[in-house]
Amino acid sequence: QKEVEQNSGPLSVPEGAIASLNCTYSDRVSQSFFWYRQYSGKSPELIMSIYSNGDKEDGRFTAQLNKASQYVSLLIRDSQPSDSATYLCAVNNNFNKFYFGSGTKLNVKP
Amino acid sequence: GAVVSQHPSRVICKSGTSVKIECRSLDFQATTMFWYRQFPKQSLMLMATSNEGSKATYEQGVEKDKFLINHASLTLSTLTVTSAHPEDSSFYICSASQGGEETQYFGPGTRLLVL
Repeated sequence: QKEVEQNSGPLSVPEGAIASLNCTYSDRVSQSFFWYRQYSGKSPELIMSIYSNGDKEDGRFTAQLNKASQYVSLLIRDSQPSDSATYLCAVNNNFNKFYFGSGTKLNVKP
Repeated sequence: GAVVSQHPSRVICKSGTSVKIECRSLDFQATTMFWYRQFPKQSLMLMATSNEGSKATYEQGVEKDKFLINHASLTLSTLTVTSAHPEDSSFYICSASQGGEETQYFGPGTRLLVL
């Protein structure tokens, strides 16, 4: 079983819609969770981090964490074509070691 | 803030030669730096973790004698691919984190092509 699992996609949504990206993790003691965006041929860039159960909003992005279900998600409101990228979920296992999911490719169609 | 640079951005070398990649934290002190490798259409693979002034910790399956990592200062880590072979061709990305913080900030990556 992989430490962090994501659906590889592609996830296609029309411009203006809400894109929902999901991630599950296996290590129950994980405390820190991150979403990164990676454009093709580029390195990952941090979108947001979340540490507590519940929702955390930053602009058009909302991260949701449910530690009981070992589940973290990212919602992108009012999706734009420029949001088309691969989204990586990362989990820190308390030993300063990140585990990355394989990423979900998002296509936002104009 | 939290800018990480890498040099070179792209390098082509002949098989059997060595290549050095630099990773610098420009506006913060990076107590820990990480080196990743990413093959096309695959996710990031952690190669090693380095702390300033100490030996790097390599992930299972990564040859420490082939991938030499030096973290001599709080703003600079280097990865040297020794005796490179075509199968080492990949996208090498470093990241850095500040003391007390868990967030990793990524450099722009170095694309290595070994002929």
